[in-house]
Amino acid sequence: EIVLTQSPATLSLSPGERATLSCRASQSIDSYLAWYQQRPGQAPRLLIYDASNRATGIPARFSGTGSGTDFTLTISSLEPEDFAVYFCQQRSNWPLTFGGGTTVEIK
Amino acid sequence: EVLLVESGGGLIQPGGSLRLACAASGFPFSTYAMNWVRQTPGKRLEWVATISGSGGHTYYADSVKGRFTISRDTSRNTLFLLMDSLRAEDTAVYYCAKPLVPAPLRSLASWGQGTLVTVSS
Repeated sequence: EIVLTQSPATLSLSPGERATLSCRASQSIDSYLAWYQQRPGQAPRLLIYDASNRATGIPARFSGTGSGTDFTLTISSLEPEDFAVYFCQQRSNWPLTFGGGTTVEIK
Repeated sequence: EVLLVESGGGLIQPGGSLRLACAASGFPFSTYAMNWVRQTPGKRLEWVATISGSGGHTYYADSVKGRFTISRDTSRNTLFLLMDSLRAEDTAVYYCAKPLVPAPLRSLASWGQGTLVTVSS
């Protein structure tokens, strides 16, 4: 099973600041990584697929980079609605696995 | 618009059975593989099972293999998850999720609102 490790667990930032979230895979997953946002009381929402492709309707301030084992989600300038939990997920091999999440909270 | 609506959750005793359903609309259901994903009380996301569009191929997490059965009824555009021999650790919110493209092993583009399953005596 491919283990995804997200860091940091919590990121405390102010609106307008840049957020950088990391996801590391236990083995190479090429570019088969997705990022999701989950707001309180809501289901996860797909932000980025295949490492760097924004899903439909996702603002340009969200970007993804990486390949192999190291991936990054960047939010260029935090909006109030961006304070949420973010998960990564790999689709390279069965079973599908998710990272433990990073909480982006208001400082 | 894609819509996924789960139902069937509730409080069940350990060892019991429960069947979840997910009513799908807004896309060609029979062509898409479909998934169940759960979120534990600790907020971890865990993939549970996937079924191919035809229903001929199924995939399970080791933690549920032999206890859970994923199925689909294309005439009713409905996905099911039959859960037997339930354990306390199966307590979670269960989501059905549609992939970005019709195949299995893909990113999950659309999610339902979830249904809560609580396994407790």
